[in-house]
Amino acid sequence: AQSVTQPDIHITVSEGASLELRCNYSYGATPYLFWYVQSPGQGLQLLLKYFSGDTLVQGIKGFEAEFKRSQSSFNLRKPSVHWSDAAEYFCAVGDHNFNKFYFGSGTKLNVKP
Amino acid sequence: DVKVTQSSRYLVKRTGEKVFLECVQDMDHENMFWYRQDPGLGLRLIYFSYDVKMKEKGDIPEGYSVSREKKERFSLILESASTNQTSMYLCASSAVGGITDTQYFGPGTRLTVL
Repeated sequence: AQSVTQPDIHITVSEGASLELRCNYSYGATPYLFWYVQSPGQGLQLLLKYFSGDTLVQGIKGFEAEFKRSQSSFNLRKPSVHWSDAAEYFCAVGDHNFNKFYFGSGTKLNVKP
Repeated sequence: DVKVTQSSRYLVKRTGEKVFLECVQDMDHENMFWYRQDPGLGLRLIYFSYDVKMKEKGDIPEGYSVSREKKERFSLILESASTNQTSMYLCASSAVGGITDTQYFGPGTRLTVL
């Protein structure tokens, strides 16, 4: 069955430090992968997506993610975190057989001044 | 900018009440979705609709129904609210459908059932 695991529930980083949020997926075919961000009091916003091609994907707000098929991972990275990045981040896999998305449980990011 | 609005940000209802959650999108999108968001569980799909008057069950449709009489509006109905339906409800829309199309989310309705 399709599933997405985000092993870190909470992460705290200092402003200016680098960030990596982990995502592992389980999917039988070639996955379509997504990262969303949810700022406090707001809906989800798409950060980036991967369908095929270059395994390093650039997104908005300076984020990038790397697809590693051998590790079934799609980790999100940012070289230097800003206080405004404090939010909850969701990884998702798209099931193109059923046109549905499966979301991870989310990782809450806190940014220390 | 795509805008998806939800009728209420916070809602408090009593057990057994009939509850309507409304979602409106202003981008003429074909597809609309209702998700439920719970801590530790992420988002789970309740229902979705690919066209007016069409609906499809998601992963957790029990206890819910939906209505889509107009293209821009998608309503989630709790026929008889129960405490286990206390949750954050998110509406989303997308233009074409399929998983390659970006979903745009509303701000959510936090529902408490007492």
